[in-house]
Amino acid sequence: AQSVTQLGSHVSVSEGALVLLRCNYSSSVPPYLFWYVQYPNQGLQLLLKYTSAATLVKGINGFEAEFKKSETSFHLTKPSAHMSDAAEYFCAVSFNAGNMLTFGGGTRLMVKP
Amino acid sequence: IAGITQAPTSQILAAGRRMTLRCTQDMRHNAMYWYRQDLGLGLRLIHYSNTAGTTGKGEVPDGYSVSRANTDDFPLTLASAVPSQTSVYFCASSRTGEGEQFFGPGTRLTVL
Repeated sequence: AQSVTQLGSHVSVSEGALVLLRCNYSSSVPPYLFWYVQYPNQGLQLLLKYTSAATLVKGINGFEAEFKKSETSFHLTKPSAHMSDAAEYFCAVSFNAGNMLTFGGGTRLMVKP
Repeated sequence: IAGITQAPTSQILAAGRRMTLRCTQDMRHNAMYWYRQDLGLGLRLIHYSNTAGTTGKGEVPDGYSVSRANTDDFPLTLASAVPSQTSVYFCASSRTGEGEQFFGPGTRLTVL
């Protein structure tokens, strides 16, 4: 069975600081991996996805994530946080390019001025 | 319509009542999904449909039913609502075989 663990339900950073949101997965076959962002009172929006091409994936709004098979990780990073990055972020895994997604519990990112 | 719409935006419902949450997409996506979002649990799949005329059970299907009469619509029905079904419900769609799922704005349901 596949599963996703997001370490840290809340992360707080200062504006301009590095953002690091952690995601570890378990999957018996090569996974497809996704990061979604949810702004208050909105649906989820895709930030980026890994589908077995380049291991470093660049997404929207300056975010990127690196697939590390040896660590079963897909951590999300952004070099410099902006106030507008405050949102909830979800990591998700799928066996088959997304027809069935398993989500992590989410990490709420807070950005301090 | 652009993307996925859900109705109602929010609803307060008495326990035991029947409720249908509506979802419509205009992207001609084959696959559609219903999730519930609860604090600390992320999104959990309730039901899905890979194509019109077919449906399947997700992780938490009990107490819910769906139908897929056509490509665009995927209603979710609570036959007899219970307080544990208080949640935010999201509908999503995707092209079969592609990674990205597109989400609606959600329905906030409170069952008293």
